[in-house]
Amino acid sequence: DAGVIQSPRHEVTEMGQEVTLRCKPISGHNSLFWYRQTMMRGLELLIYFNNNVPIDDSGMPEDRFSAKMPNASFSTLKIQPSEPRDSAVYFCASSLDSGGPSYNEQFFGPGTRLTVL
Amino acid sequence: AQSVTQPDIHITVSEGASLELRCNYSYGATPYLFWYVQSPGQGLQLLLKYFSGDTLVQGIKGFEAEFKRSQSSFNLRKPSVHWSDAAEYFCAVGGKGTYKYIFGTGTRLKVLA
Repeated sequence: DAGVIQSPRHEVTEMGQEVTLRCKPISGHNSLFWYRQTMMRGLELLIYFNNNVPIDDSGMPEDRFSAKMPNASFSTLKIQPSEPRDSAVYFCASSLDSGGPSYNEQFFGPGTRLTVL
Repeated sequence: AQSVTQPDIHITVSEGASLELRCNYSYGATPYLFWYVQSPGQGLQLLLKYFSGDTLVQGIKGFEAEFKRSQSSFNLRKPSVHWSDAAEYFCAVGGKGTYKYIFGTGTRLKVLA
């Protein structure tokens, strides 16, 4: 299995530009997570999808951020317009939610390092 | 408030030496606890997890962790560190039936040859 795939791995853009990050979860997984990692705030959950439906977007910092999951094998995180404070590493993770009460291990992608100038 | 504290930002050890990484948590319900490792340029990989039962849990790569409820701690240990263990380590806490986990800020481990 290729694991969770993210693209691009690095993105440098200028303030005000639109940025789109992409994620392909592990085949067969039905839950997908977007995280943001910064030195100041650590790893934060931005949004959680289950069966392609956004379940919890309470971590999305503001309206400039949006995420979609049009099908089970693809998700995007978009920032428009981007700002320097959005500079961070963005991780996508996926898991197989068996529906039980136990933890379902999340498998992380390699991340996208975003720099907004 | 729910939180995870990893008090050591950086730790340096010599290869072959023992290792202990500290993790303290604050959580309102029965905690599920995890340690992840992040190698440079890679995503997070689960090392081990604790749900209940034996408070000493074994993980991959020779790591173990001990849950101490009275101290709200879940420290990670390894008896003999290898150069390939150099990475960043994250402690996380969650609860039964929840997908939302709280991560610590990480401890970066450097291994001297």
